[in-house]
Amino acid sequence: AQKVTQAQTEISVVEKEDVTLDCVYETRDTTYYLFWYKQPPSGELVFLIRRNSFDEQNEISGRYSWNFQKSTSSFNFTITASQVVDSAVYFCALSGSFTGGSNYKLTFGKGTLLTVNP
Amino acid sequence: DTGVSQDPRHKITKRGQNVTFRCDPISEHNRLYWYRQTLGQGPEFLTYFQNEAQLEKSRLLSDRFSAERPKGSFSTLEIQRTEQGDSAMYLCASSLGTGKETQYFGPGTRLLVL
Repeated sequence: AQKVTQAQTEISVVEKEDVTLDCVYETRDTTYYLFWYKQPPSGELVFLIRRNSFDEQNEISGRYSWNFQKSTSSFNFTITASQVVDSAVYFCALSGSFTGGSNYKLTFGKGTLLTVNP
Repeated sequence: DTGVSQDPRHKITKRGQNVTFRCDPISEHNRLYWYRQTLGQGPEFLTYFQNEAQLEKSRLLSDRFSAERPKGSFSTLEIQRTEQGDSAMYLCASSLGTGKETQYFGPGTRLLVL
């Protein structure tokens, strides 16, 4: 069974602070995919990034960066110089692959509510 | 590209009534997923279509729930004899299905059963 744990329920920071959201996952699949989604107050889930299990290269996109460490089963997300517009619930998610017997359905963590105060 | 759309965005119904939700995926996306999200939780998988074939249903999908995707285009999710425990956000997502398996979500339908 797949499992995603986001231990941080809520985080509150002041604008311009850096913030890291933690994600730990469990899976028996050898090939899998990790995702981060953002859910602003409007409710729509917005895709941020996808990483493949065979590619541990970390990635930076503007103020966002992701640290994927297979050895610790973690896929953490950092926002640099946070802004008020970053306030949202952030979800980490995991999917398997057809070769692993899965159907790409997503298993989500419970989410981390990030509040960025001015 | 037009994103995933869902209709209605909000639905209030009385216990025991039937409701139907519609999802229009991104064009040319052949995989379509339904999820349910309750307050303070992450979305949970309900069911999945590849084209018009429903390939998997979660244990969460009781006999009162039925989903269809005629002709492999839009999908409907029907809940019969609604219960208060059905109150949730129902999310639809679609993906291209050619190994590029990023799922793009619609705005959701928020259901309140009184």
